[in-house]
Amino acid sequence: EVQLVESGGGLVQPGGSLRLSCAASGFTFSSYSMNWVRQAPGKGLEWVSYISSSSSTIYYADSVKGRFTISRDNAKNSLYLQMNSLRAEDTAVYYCAPGYSSSSDWFDPWGQGTLVTVSS
Amino acid sequence: DIQMTQSPSSLSASVGDRVTITCRASQSISSYLNWYQQKPGKAPKLLIYAASSLQSGVPSRFSGSGSGTDFTLTISSLQPEDFATYYCQQSYSTPPTFGQGTRLEIK
Repeated sequence: EVQLVESGGGLVQPGGSLRLSCAASGFTFSSYSMNWVRQAPGKGLEWVSYISSSSSTIYYADSVKGRFTISRDNAKNSLYLQMNSLRAEDTAVYYCAPGYSSSSDWFDPWGQGTLVTVSS
Repeated sequence: DIQMTQSPSSLSASVGDRVTITCRASQSISSYLNWYQQKPGKAPKLLIYAASSLQSGVPSRFSGSGSGTDFTLTISSLQPEDFATYYCQQSYSTPPTFGQGTRLEIK
């Protein structure tokens, strides 16, 4: 069974940093592109970042470019999101999901999410 | 960026009803359109990919159609477990973008 478990969320002050992790199991993690998608409280879905299977290609949403860094460790079946210079508008549940690749350009499945709250 | 607009934003319907949700793209996206269902407090779940392909395990009462700029998600006979929020998403170009969501409520 495919499992994606996000962790690392919490309360952080504006300007602070946080590192999210996504532990994957049940599939060949190293063969899949991965993404972070977020959802502000009561709002819709917003794609945040993409990393290819080999880490050779990375994309960011304009809203996080220069502040967030996506990375992965295929040996540990893990995906990361380093978030710096956090703002109130970054408050959201962050989901990891494979996809947005030539073989499967949809997001499936999704982890349960981890909540990031940016507030003083 | 490609803008995705769903209509309606909310919808009240009864068990057994046939329901259609529309998604319009700001430019042609061929068939690079996916649909998700999200229940409160849960992660989104893929229902339809590539505009009309049913994801494995999804009931056949869900169907998708369209190409270019106009797409629809149809639920042929609403079941109690279908009351949720539905999102469309384009994967034609980066950044992938979502519609604002359609909240389907019980009448």
